[in-house]
Amino acid sequence: GAVVSQHPSRVICKSGTSVKIECRSLDFQATTMFWYRQFPKQSLMLMATSNEGSKATYEQGVEKDKFLINHASLTLSTLTVTSAHPEDSSFYICSARAGGGSYEQYFGPGTRLTVT
Amino acid sequence: GIQVEQSPPDLILQEGANSTLRCNFSDSVNNLQWFHQNPWGQLINLFYIPSGTKQNGRLSATTVATERYSLLYISSSQTTDSGVYFCAVSTPTLQGAQKLVFGQGTRLTINP
Repeated sequence: GAVVSQHPSRVICKSGTSVKIECRSLDFQATTMFWYRQFPKQSLMLMATSNEGSKATYEQGVEKDKFLINHASLTLSTLTVTSAHPEDSSFYICSARAGGGSYEQYFGPGTRLTVT
Repeated sequence: GIQVEQSPPDLILQEGANSTLRCNFSDSVNNLQWFHQNPWGQLINLFYIPSGTKQNGRLSATTVATERYSLLYISSSQTTDSGVYFCAVSTPTLQGAQKLVFGQGTRLTINP
């Protein structure tokens, strides 16, 4: 149990275009989902927290108009990178928390974004 | 915010050796997780261990919450254990979002 999927696993896009990444909890309902970014040989940095049915909470320094997050259901959150630039190239990982009494988070396999 | 420090940053061992990875944190936590990031980037949950001791096969972990550290033990290492091991913690926020803060990781290399 506790499986999180992401789609696509890898995407290449041109500068100025937008890219949408989906994060799904496959066998549990996720009241809260999180989006992280990881640069090569670095740790994960939290970008935003997404709660079902409400606006996402962004970390300091993360542009909310550039990284649009929608958590429309208890099993799906999407991250849209708008007007992508080469510096947005990175590994994006989502996680989900089922809620209740456990704070354990489960992570998706990640999406590698390359902006040319 | 809470600080998370992992040591050592790099560890190179021969197959069959044992290893201990350490995670220090600067504040009280209500979540502590250990992960193994495989070469494809997938984070694999190893332990959810805000306190106490757990074991799973060749791996075990201990968190001493009062002293603000956790240890991950790997016994009889195999080449497939290679990768980056992350410790991540969360502490209650005003919004109760339970955000995970990651350490910088320990890169483990197991040579045959």
